[in-house]
Amino acid sequence: DAGVIQSPRHEVTEMGQEVTLRCKPISGHDYLFWYRQTMMRGLELLIYFNNNVPIDDSGMPEDRFSAKMPNASFSTLKIQPSEPRDSAVYFCASRSGPTVNTGELFFGEGSRLTVL
Amino acid sequence: KQEVTQIPAALSVPEGENLVLNCSFTDSAIYNLQWFRQDPGKGLTSLLLIQSSQREQTSGRLNASLDKSSGRSTLYIAASQPGDSATYLCAVVSVQAGTALIFGKGTTLSVSS
Repeated sequence: DAGVIQSPRHEVTEMGQEVTLRCKPISGHDYLFWYRQTMMRGLELLIYFNNNVPIDDSGMPEDRFSAKMPNASFSTLKIQPSEPRDSAVYFCASRSGPTVNTGELFFGEGSRLTVL
Repeated sequence: KQEVTQIPAALSVPEGENLVLNCSFTDSAIYNLQWFRQDPGKGLTSLLLIQSSQREQTSGRLNASLDKSSGRSTLYIAASQPGDSATYLCAVVSVQAGTALIFGKGTTLSVSS
């Protein structure tokens, strides 16, 4: 299996522009997570999906952030409009397991976003 | 609210030394704890997963222990090598928080040859 695939790996944009990050989870995994990593705050959960349905989006910082999962093999995280404080590494992760809370989590390589 | 703390934030050791990384969590009601490794500019790689009913897990030179009642876990690395240099993060799935992992900020390890 190719693992969790994210694109783009790097994105540099100007404040106010729309940013779309993409993720392909591991085939057969029914949970997908979006995390954000910064030096100050570490890894923070933004949102997660189960069987393509958003379950908890309480970590999404503002209405400027939105996430979708139209099918089991694809998810997007969109920021519109982007701001410099959104600069971070955004990770997608997926999981499956015998029960909802016992599966091992697998991460993608991340998308490094810089907003100027 | 579950909080995960890792001390120290950074650690430097000479090659060959055995070392212990520490992780503590405030709420002992967890489903499992997972240790990850992160290399600079890379994603996280899962090292060990310990279920709440387990006391330890081993993989090669790595051994992770879990003391749920005291809210602590340790990652023991035997005979450290320069290739072990990375940031090590622990994370828990909290009963209260549900499915998502809650992470510590990590310990950055540097092993010199």
